[in-house]
Amino acid sequence: GQQLNQSPQSMFIQEGEDVSMNCTSSSIFNTWLWYKQDPGEGPVLLIALYKAGELTSNGRLTAQFGITRKDSFLNISASIPSDVGIYFCAGPKDNYGQNFVFGPGTRLSVLP
Amino acid sequence: SAVISQKPSRDICQRGTSLTIQCQVDSQVTMMFWYRQQPGQSLTLIATANQGSEATYESGFVIDKFPISRPNLTFSTLTVSNMSPEDSSIYLCSAADSNQPQHFGDGTRLSIL
Repeated sequence: GQQLNQSPQSMFIQEGEDVSMNCTSSSIFNTWLWYKQDPGEGPVLLIALYKAGELTSNGRLTAQFGITRKDSFLNISASIPSDVGIYFCAGPKDNYGQNFVFGPGTRLSVLP
Repeated sequence: SAVISQKPSRDICQRGTSLTIQCQVDSQVTMMFWYRQQPGQSLTLIATANQGSEATYESGFVIDKFPISRPNLTFSTLTVSNMSPEDSSIYLCSAADSNQPQHFGDGTRLSIL
C-alpha cells in the first residue's frame, strides 16, 4: 500500500525563522492534506490540495502539491511559539475513497 | 466544518476489561472513521464506520477486538475489547462528507494497567 515519508522528522528553529518540510509518497496522489496536532488534541486540518502544481496559503502557511504528484511541501513563515506541534501529511489510500494514510509527522519546536 | 466530540477524553482501565468510546458529530456526515495513535506515532486507520451496516476494517484490525457501531449519521462508538497494555493509545474519531477532508475529535487517551 501507499507509504508516506516526511522530512525532517524533527526540527528546532528560532522564533521568527521560516520553516520548510516535505512529504513524499511511493505512489501518485490526487489529494494532499496537511494537519497539525497540538499536545493533547486531535489533528487540525491546515491545508488541502487537489491539483498537481497547486499552491495554497492559509495565513503564514503555504503548501504546494508537487508536479510529480508524489510529493508536497509545507512552508511556515515567521514562526511563532504557537507553531510548535506535530505536522502530518496525508494522502488517499486509494484514489476514489475517503480512506487516508498519514505520514510519520514532523515535530516542530520553536525556541524563543 | 463539523465539530466532533469524543467521550471519554481519557480513561485508565484494568486489563481484560472493555471500554466503549463515543463520537458525536454536530451535523450529519457521510463518513466516520476510527484511528489509533500509539505513543509518539502517527495515525493508523482502524476502520470505517458504516451507517446501517458492518464497519470496514483495515488489515490488522478485527471486529471481535474493535466492535464499531454507527446507528445514524451523527454518532458512532468504538469498543476496545479485552484490553491489554498494548492497547494503550490515543483513539481518534474523524468525520467527513463526500469529497471533503476529514476533521478529527480530540481523541480518547486510554491507559491499560
